[in-house]
Amino acid sequence: AQSVTQPDIHITVSEGASLELRCNYSYGATPYLFWYVQSPGQGLQLLLKYFSGDTLVQGIKGFEAEFKRSQSSFNLRKPSVHWSDAAEYFCAVEERGSTLGRLYFGRGTQLTVWP
Amino acid sequence: EAGVAQSPRYKIIEKRQSVAFWCNPISGHATLYWYQQILGQGPKLLIQFQNNGVVDDSQLPKDRFSAERLKGVDSTLKIQPAKLEDSAVYLCASSLLAGDQYFGPGTRLTVL
Repeated sequence: AQSVTQPDIHITVSEGASLELRCNYSYGATPYLFWYVQSPGQGLQLLLKYFSGDTLVQGIKGFEAEFKRSQSSFNLRKPSVHWSDAAEYFCAVEERGSTLGRLYFGRGTQLTVWP
Repeated sequence: EAGVAQSPRYKIIEKRQSVAFWCNPISGHATLYWYQQILGQGPKLLIQFQNNGVVDDSQLPKDRFSAERLKGVDSTLKIQPAKLEDSAVYLCASSLLAGDQYFGPGTRLTVL
């Protein structure tokens, strides 16, 4: 069965510091990979996605993520965090070739940003 | 472009009562999803519609949950009767067939 692991439940960083959120997946074949952000009281917003090609993908709000097949990982990064980045971040996978578009989510990582 | 609309935003009920949630997807989106997000967990798909047909309801507790999508547009998710463990945020999302999913703000349900 597909599984998505986000090992860090809560991360705290200072504003201006760099950020890396970890995501590992367990799946038979490389799935499609996504990162979503959820601010309090809001729905999920897509930050970026990886389907194929360049393993370093750029997203919105200055985020990027790198796919590493050998580590089954898709870590999210940002070089300099802003206070407005405080939110919950979810990694998700979709079965490659599926016509259903069903997403499997990790449990999320809560990001706190200190001023 | 208007986003996915959901109502109500908050609902508090007692166990064994019934509750219904409404979702209006983005215009033209053929696929509609309902997710359940329990506190401390990621969203879990309950049911997926393509137009007005169900394509995946394998995770829907059918003894108490039901959903419909009238005319392939709006959708309603119902719980009857509710249990304490149904306390969660219920998210609706829509997409163009199997494209990027756009999420609504969710309905936070508290069952007392």
